[in-house]
Amino acid sequence: AQKVTQAQTEISVVEKEDVTLDCVYETRDTTYYLFWYKQPPSGELVFLIRRNSFDEQNEISGRYSWNFQKSTSSFNFTITASQVVDSAVYFCALSEATTDSWGKLQFGAGTQVVVTP
Amino acid sequence: NAGVTQTPKFQVLKTGQSMTLQCAQDMNHEYMSWYRQDPGMGLRLIHYSVGAGITDQGEVPNGYNVSRSTTEDFPLRLLSAAPSQTSVYFCASRKEGYSGNTIYFGEGSWLTVV
Repeated sequence: AQKVTQAQTEISVVEKEDVTLDCVYETRDTTYYLFWYKQPPSGELVFLIRRNSFDEQNEISGRYSWNFQKSTSSFNFTITASQVVDSAVYFCALSEATTDSWGKLQFGAGTQVVVTP
Repeated sequence: NAGVTQTPKFQVLKTGQSMTLQCAQDMNHEYMSWYRQDPGMGLRLIHYSVGAGITDQGEVPNGYNVSRSTTEDFPLRLLSAAPSQTSVYFCASRKEGYSGNTIYFGEGSWLTVV
């Protein structure tokens, strides 16, 4: 069975501080996908990144960066120089790459990020 | 291109009433899913479909029915609403295969059962 753990329930920072969100996953598949989604107070789910299990390159997109380490089954997310607009709930999710699993995501419980001015 | 459209956005039901949450996508995606979001629990899979005419249960299917008569539509039915079904519901779609593995979500439906 697959499992995604986001141990941090809430993180509070002051604007311009860096924030790192932890995500640890479990899966028996050798091929899988990992995702990060942002859910702002308005409630919609905003796609941030998808990472394939066979691609361990870290990625940077603007103020966002992701560190994928298969050896520790972790896919951590860092927001550099946080801004008030980054205040949201962030979800890590896992999808196995089998025919039956393409439409199924296993989500973590989410981490609430609060950025104060 | 509308993406994934969910209706209604907000709904209040009385215990025992029935209703259908509608979900439609215009991207010709094979895979469609319904999730519910509860505080502190992330999103949990209710039902999913791998194509028209094929559905299966997810993690929390009790109290919900689905059908997939067309590729575009995947309605979620609550036959007899209970307060425990108060939640935010998200529909999602995804294209089959490695090249189409972005998952698209609807904007969510806020359901309150009193």
